[in-house]
Amino acid sequence: QVQLQESGPGLVKPSETLSLTCTVSGGSISSYYWTWIRQPPGKGLEYIGYIYYSGSTNYNPSLKSRVTISVDTSKNQFSLKLSSVTAADTAVYYCARVSGTVTFNGMGVWGQGTTVTVSS
Amino acid sequence: DIQMTQSPSTLSASVGDRVTITCRASQSFSSWLAWYQQKPGKAPKLLIYKASTLESGVPSRFSGSGSGGDFTLTISSLQPDDFATYFCHQYNTYPWTFGQGTKVEIK
Repeated sequence: QVQLQESGPGLVKPSETLSLTCTVSGGSISSYYWTWIRQPPGKGLEYIGYIYYSGSTNYNPSLKSRVTISVDTSKNQFSLKLSSVTAADTAVYYCARVSGTVTFNGMGVWGQGTTVTVSS
Repeated sequence: DIQMTQSPSTLSASVGDRVTITCRASQSFSSWLAWYQQKPGKAPKLLIYKASTLESGVPSRFSGSGSGGDFTLTISSLQPDDFATYFCHQYNTYPWTFGQGTKVEIK
């Protein structure tokens, strides 16, 4: 059974870069799309972007200038970098696997989420 | 971006009630819509995809319907474990977007 685990600093200073890694266990990162979703405190869900195991990406235009998602198939991991963070980037960050490859079927596997606070 | 508007924002119901949550899109699209359940402090859980397909392992009291711009999640008989927040999610058009959520509370 595939499991995802986010890791990274829980506190990031304003203007710095947020860096998170999602480790995939119980299955291969190959042949799937992998996403980052975030949820500010008490608010709804926001799509950040996804990466295919081959490296192709799609980013939310609202974050595109600051976001980089990468994949390391040898480590079964994918990562998120968000630059020039502000307090508005404070959120729970989730990694998730997109179900389906020919057609998408929602996001069926999620990590537990990691809280990132932007503060000096 | 496609805006997804859920209604109601909060719903008070009793165990055994039939519950309906609606999600309306700002632009019409086919069936690329999912529903998730989220409990406090937990990650969302996929319930329905492609508007009406039940995810494996999800109880059959959950069902989804709709196409075009209007979609519905129905819980046929609310159970104690169903008190949670529900989100719709369109993956027809980038950027993917979510509804603001519907909190189902105990009446």
